[in-house]
Amino acid sequence: ETGVTQTPRHLVMGMTNKKSLKCEQHLGHNAMYWYKQSAKKPLELMFVYSLEERVENNSVPSRFSPECPNSSHLFLHLHTLQPEDSALYLCASSQDYQHSYNEQFFGPGTRLTVL
Amino acid sequence: AQTVTQSQPEMSVQEAETVTLSCTYDTSENNYYLFWYKQPPSRQMILVIRQEAYKQQNATENRFSVNFQKAAKSFSLKISDSQLGDTAMYFCAFSWEYGNKLVFGAGTILRVKS
Repeated sequence: ETGVTQTPRHLVMGMTNKKSLKCEQHLGHNAMYWYKQSAKKPLELMFVYSLEERVENNSVPSRFSPECPNSSHLFLHLHTLQPEDSALYLCASSQDYQHSYNEQFFGPGTRLTVL
Repeated sequence: AQTVTQSQPEMSVQEAETVTLSCTYDTSENNYYLFWYKQPPSRQMILVIRQEAYKQQNATENRFSVNFQKAAKSFSLKISDSQLGDTAMYFCAFSWEYGNKLVFGAGTILRVKS
């Protein structure tokens, strides 16, 4: 595997389910990101982790819970979601968080549908 | 708050021709970074080009170049000799000088026609 991978690629869940999205980066980066891409809305930054420490939480509802056990893996735990949470969830990584010039590398995304 | 506006939801261009995608932004920062990212259909988003605000020279990457007008807060992307593989959603994005977090525009769908 190379770059940034995400699993599953597609997920359908009911509002009472608990599921997790997984992201893995094979680039040796120190920063990882979760973005939400909804139809007809700009990408929204959700969370940022730098060296496994959460450094940004963009007023995301508590039904989304991130976890970064090491610098290569990032999870997004989902619980009691709403239909409006249906979206493409993108993971990204960059060399570090401090230097804004660094390119962010994106995964293919998980297409989430909440019924 | 920083905002990024892309006023063209969709554009189309003939193969081999030139197209310009518009982007404006609002910030009170003096130094920052601007990016264009490309998201091809069902494929991963990739960086096309980036610009540091304190550099007056416009960035270029092969067929891609930008027209950066700092005073006007404008950052347009020019694609020369358009190719079918350029068909994608293009996002303009802003980042502060420190802290690598991106603020994206709504995107422009570009279709290259043969």
